[in-house]
Amino acid sequence: DTGVSQNPRHKITKRGQNVTFRCDPISEHNRLYWYRQTLGQGPEFLTYFQNEAQLEKSRLLSDRFSAERPKGSFSTLEIQRTEQGDSAMYLCASSSPLGTGFGDSNQPQHFGDGTRLSIL
Amino acid sequence: GEDVEQSLFLSVREGDSSVINCTYTDSSSTYLYWYKQEPGAGLQLLTYIFSNMDMKQDQRLTVLLNKKDKHLSLRIADTQTGDSAIYFCAERRGGATNKLIFGTGTLLAVQP
Repeated sequence: DTGVSQNPRHKITKRGQNVTFRCDPISEHNRLYWYRQTLGQGPEFLTYFQNEAQLEKSRLLSDRFSAERPKGSFSTLEIQRTEQGDSAMYLCASSSPLGTGFGDSNQPQHFGDGTRLSIL
Repeated sequence: GEDVEQSLFLSVREGDSSVINCTYTDSSSTYLYWYKQEPGAGLQLLTYIFSNMDMKQDQRLTVLLNKKDKHLSLRIADTQTGDSAIYFCAERRGGATNKLIFGTGTLLAVQP
């Protein structure tokens, strides 16, 4: 079973350019999450999909950010007109629809290695 | 507020036990997690605990939860140099949300 895969691992771009990242979740995980992590901080939630439906969005997700998961499998995160403050690690996670066997509904989130974005 | 707090740094000697502490704010939190992050990598899920439990043990890892004080700890027995990393606690709150709220992380340095 492969883990969560993110591409590219690193992206360097000039301010004002658009960038797009891709996340391939663990197969059969129907939930997919995007987080952003800046240096010295913990990850901050951006958005969450269940299948192809985007069910939750953070106020951090400005109108320059858009995330899609058109077929309920991989997801893309696009940032338009990048700014210096967008420099961060963008992490994707996925979780299973199944419980953990304790009669609960916990679905631990499993993370990819992230895409590090640097804005020049 | 949304703050999950952790101490910034912990240094231990190889073979000693490490205890990493975390306090959270929301009494409705259902699950609490510990993740490990090595340099340049993503987050590796270590363990988690359901809010109606007060202890969970998994090999070298022991999680203690004091729900009254909203305090969570991770004990690593027989700490090894390979345990050097940043450790994050995270809470998943009750209700419809599925997002995790992370602490700022504790850098664990293991001295040989």
